[in-house]
Parts: sequence; C-alpha cells; structure tokens
Amino acid sequence: AQRVTQPEKLLSVFKGAPVELKCNYSYSGSPELFWYVQYSRQRLQLLLRHISRESIKGFTADLNKGETSFHLKKPFAQEEDSAMYYCALRGSGNTPLVFGKGTRLSVIA
Amino acid sequence: GAVVSQHPSWVICKSGTSVKIECRSLDFQATTMFWYRQFPKQSLMLMATSNEGSKATYEQGVEKDKFLINHASLTLSTLTVTSAHPEDSSFYICSARDETVTQYFGPGTRLTVL
Repeated sequence: AQRVTQPEKLLSVFKGAPVELKCNYSYSGSPELFWYVQYSRQRLQLLLRHISRESIKGFTADLNKGETSFHLKKPFAQEEDSAMYYCALRGSGNTPLVFGKGTRLSVIA
Repeated sequence: GAVVSQHPSWVICKSGTSVKIECRSLDFQATTMFWYRQFPKQSLMLMATSNEGSKATYEQGVEKDKFLINHASLTLSTLTVTSAHPEDSSFYICSARDETVTQYFGPGTRLTVL
C-alpha cells in the first residue's frame, strides 16, 4: 500500500530562518515523490519532483530511500513562502498521486 | 504552463438534486483525469480515475452510482453528484495528466448541499 506521512500539521518559523518540512513514505517499489504547494485561495501547484533534482523558489528535496523520506528544505524562509505544502507519491504504472495530509507553513516577519 | 479549469467554482443546491461539475484541460490533451475530494483543513482524497473513452475507476468506499464520472473527450471530464445530501458538501478538485505524466490541478469546486 502507498502511504505518505507528514507529521507536522503546522510549522511556524521566523523570516530568514531555515525550514524543513518532513515527509516520509511507504511503498514497496520505486516511487516518484513530489511536493505541491497551495497558496491562500489558489489551486494546488507542483513545486518540485525528485527526478528533476532542481531547486524551485529556493526549495530543495532529496529522496532518501534508506529512510524513506523526502523532506523539503529551504535555507532562508521568506514571508511569501507561507502556504500549505503537500508531499505526494506516485507508484509504478502511472498510478494517481497519493497525498500526505499537508503541513501549513507560517513564516513570521 | 498547462491549465486546468473547473466549472462552476461554487454551487449551492437543495438536498436530493443532482449537480454536475466540469473539468477541462485548456491547452493540452488529457487521456487521464482524476477527481479528488478535500474536506476542510484536510488533505486531498482520491475519489476516482477517469480515462477517456472508458469507465472510471473508483477508489474503495466511493459510490460509483452516486458520483457519476464521464470522460467524453481528451479535454473534458464531468463529475455528477446524484441525489446530493448535506454530507456530500465538500471541495471537489479535478486533476489532468499530460503526456509527461505531470498532474495539473483545477481550482476546485465548492459544493454546499442544503
């Protein structure tokens, strides 16, 4: 079974502080991992995917197969980063995305 | 980038009536679309996978006779909530997948059943 766990419902950090949003997954095969972001009153947007290994808006995420984790990190948080962040997994066979429960990031000025 | 639209964005209906929600991929063809449901302050729960020209695949616990899905073309999928009841009130979000297998999301439709 596929499962995505985001242990923190809410994470508050000060502007300029480092951010780490945790994501752990459960999947027997080789998954694809994603981070989606939802700003206030906006639709869900793809932030990054592990296979592209790119940095978007200063965010990075590394897939750690040993720890089955895909934590999202940013060295210096900005106020505009305040949003809901969802970690998602896609298994083999182009199956649908399965989402974690999300973490609300609040960056305090 | 790819855009997915939903219509209507907000609908209020009386208990017992049916409501149809449309999902369109505006600038790409989507052989596969997905319908999710999101309760307040909760994550997206997959309801069904919609494939163009074939029957939808429903997730466990989702009543296919209550949530009718039609994917008649490569750019349009519809979700009809039949005989709606107050417990069906929720935020319904569709997602369309392009040829790179990237999922793009619509803005969602808020359904309120009185």
